[in-house]
Amino acid sequence: NAGVMQNPRHLVRRRGQEARLRCSPMKGHSHVYWYRQLPEEGLKFMVYLQKENIIDESGMPKERFSAEFPKEGPSILRIQQVVRGDSAAYFCASSPMDFYEQYFGPGTRLTVT
Amino acid sequence: AQSVTQPDIHITVSEGASLELRCNYSYGATPYLFWYVQSPGQGLQLLLKYFSGDTLVQGIKGFEAEFKRSQSSFNLRKPSVHWSDAAEYFCAVGVLGSNDYKLSFGAGTTVTVRA
Repeated sequence: NAGVMQNPRHLVRRRGQEARLRCSPMKGHSHVYWYRQLPEEGLKFMVYLQKENIIDESGMPKERFSAEFPKEGPSILRIQQVVRGDSAAYFCASSPMDFYEQYFGPGTRLTVT
Repeated sequence: AQSVTQPDIHITVSEGASLELRCNYSYGATPYLFWYVQSPGQGLQLLLKYFSGDTLVQGIKGFEAEFKRSQSSFNLRKPSVHWSDAAEYFCAVGVLGSNDYKLSFGAGTTVTVRA
């Protein structure tokens, strides 16, 4: 059973470009979470999704950030018009329905130049 | 909102010595608690979790943690540290019984193991 997959592992974008981060949850998992880790900090919750639904996006910046988890395919975290402050590691986690244990992917390290 | 405090930013321990990492949480409801470990450039691996029941929980790699409700703590321990335990450790808390499964993480404790 493959773990949570994230790609790309490293992403470099220039200021103003768009970044798309992908997350494929573990097989059988219907809940996806995105977290951001800034340098020297812990993980901060961004958004919680189930298939085709955003359940909680209280941690998402109001502008430029969006997330989706379509019926088919991976979950996508999209950052438009990136700025240097968006440089961070973005982690995706998944869990089965009605279960609390989250399994994390290896993360995508975004660098904005 | 729940919060998690890891008072120690960095701990250095000798190989073979014991290790204890502190974690305090702040939340009125029944929490569920986790410890994760992150090696450099890697994702997070779950060490152990507490939902209910026995307050002393055993995890992987020889780690254990004890939930103390009166102290709002969930400290992680290992009797004898190996060099491979050098990593960053995160305590996380969620809310048991809610429909929101997001976790709140502490800032992490970096563990250095010296020979």
